[in-house]
Amino acid sequence: NAGVMQNPRHLVRRRGQEARLRCSPMKGHSHVYWYRQLPEEGLKFMVYLQKENIIDESGMPKERFSAEFPKEGPSILRIQQVVRGDSAAYFCASSPRVGGLYEQYFGPGTRLTVT
Amino acid sequence: RKEVEQDPGPFNVPEGATVAFNCTYSNSASQSFFWYRQDCRKEPKLLMSVYSSGNEDGRFTAQLNRASQYISLLIRDSKLSDSATYLCVVNARNQFYFGTGTSLTVIP
Repeated sequence: NAGVMQNPRHLVRRRGQEARLRCSPMKGHSHVYWYRQLPEEGLKFMVYLQKENIIDESGMPKERFSAEFPKEGPSILRIQQVVRGDSAAYFCASSPRVGGLYEQYFGPGTRLTVT
Repeated sequence: RKEVEQDPGPFNVPEGATVAFNCTYSNSASQSFFWYRQDCRKEPKLLMSVYSSGNEDGRFTAQLNRASQYISLLIRDSKLSDSATYLCVVNARNQFYFGTGTSLTVIP
């Protein structure tokens, strides 16, 4: 059973370009979470999605950021018109359910560098 | 008030020492609790879930006190490989809340 997959692992973008980060959850997991981690800081929740639904996007910046989890294919975190402050590690995690004792499992992350 | 609070440390302990980390959470309706470990520039990895009765996994013991809304992690006989950041995680309102992490360095 493959773990959570993220690609690309490293992404370099110039200011003003778009960044697309992909996340494939573990097999059988229908809940996906995105987190951002700035250098020397803790994980910050961004968005929680189930298939075709955004459940909680309270951690997403109001502009330039969007996320989706289509019926088929990976979850996508999209950052438009990137700025230097977007440079960070973006982690995706998946869970089979929420509540109870269901843990989250993390992907290896995408390290975004904005030049 | 933050959902989950941890002492950031750093904790610097000699090999073989016992070290304890504490964590408090604010939502009394929280359902489940976990400790994760994160190595530098890597993804968080699940260390152990925390059960109401307390649980042990080798050198690691986790305890939960629902009345005080407090979680702890005890590491006995510390190894160099235990050096990492330890994250307290709480599941509440169908979301996972992470503490900022406690940094541990085990010194030879």
